[in-house]
Amino acid sequence: AQSVTQLDSQVPVFEEAPVELRCNYSSSVSVYLFWYVQYPNQGLQLLLKYLSGSTLVKGINGFEAEFNKSQTSFHLRKPSVHISDTAEYFCAVLSGNTGKLIFGQGTTLQVKP
Amino acid sequence: EAQVTQNPRYLITVTGKKLTVTCSQNMNHEYMSWYRQDPGLGLRQIYYSMNVEVTDKGDVPEGYKVSRKEKRNFPLILESPSPNQTSLYFCASRTVSGDTQYFGPGTRLTVL
Repeated sequence: AQSVTQLDSQVPVFEEAPVELRCNYSSSVSVYLFWYVQYPNQGLQLLLKYLSGSTLVKGINGFEAEFNKSQTSFHLRKPSVHISDTAEYFCAVLSGNTGKLIFGQGTTLQVKP
Repeated sequence: EAQVTQNPRYLITVTGKKLTVTCSQNMNHEYMSWYRQDPGLGLRQIYYSMNVEVTDKGDVPEGYKVSRKEKRNFPLILESPSPNQTSLYFCASRTVSGDTQYFGPGTRLTVL
């Protein structure tokens, strides 16, 4: 069965510092991987996705993620965060059988001034 | 504007009082689903629908019902809500062959 683990529940970081949010997945088949962001009191917005091809995926708002098949990871990175990046971030894998998204537990990014 | 809408956005109710949360999308998507979000658990799928009149259980279907009479609408029904259904609910849709799901704004439900 597919699963997703986000290794940090909370990540505090100062403004303009780099950040990495970690995500590991388990799957025995080809995977489609996603990062979603949820700003306070809002729905989920797609940041980026990996379907195939280049393992480095660039998304919106300066975020990028790297698909690493050997380590079964899909970590999200940003070289310099802003206060406005404070949000909850979800990593997810698409289940081919049912078409559902299997989500990780979420990581709260807290950007401090 | 392409979007998924949910109503109501906030709801406080009491145990046992039937309620319906509506979901509508204007993108002509075949696939629709409901998720609930709970702290520390991420989002878990409740029910999904591949097309009109085709629905199936997700990971946490107990206590919920759905219907898909029209392509654009996918209501979530709680026949007899209980406090453990207090949660944040999201509706989502995509094309049946697509990879990206589009989410509604969420419905925060409190069952007293």
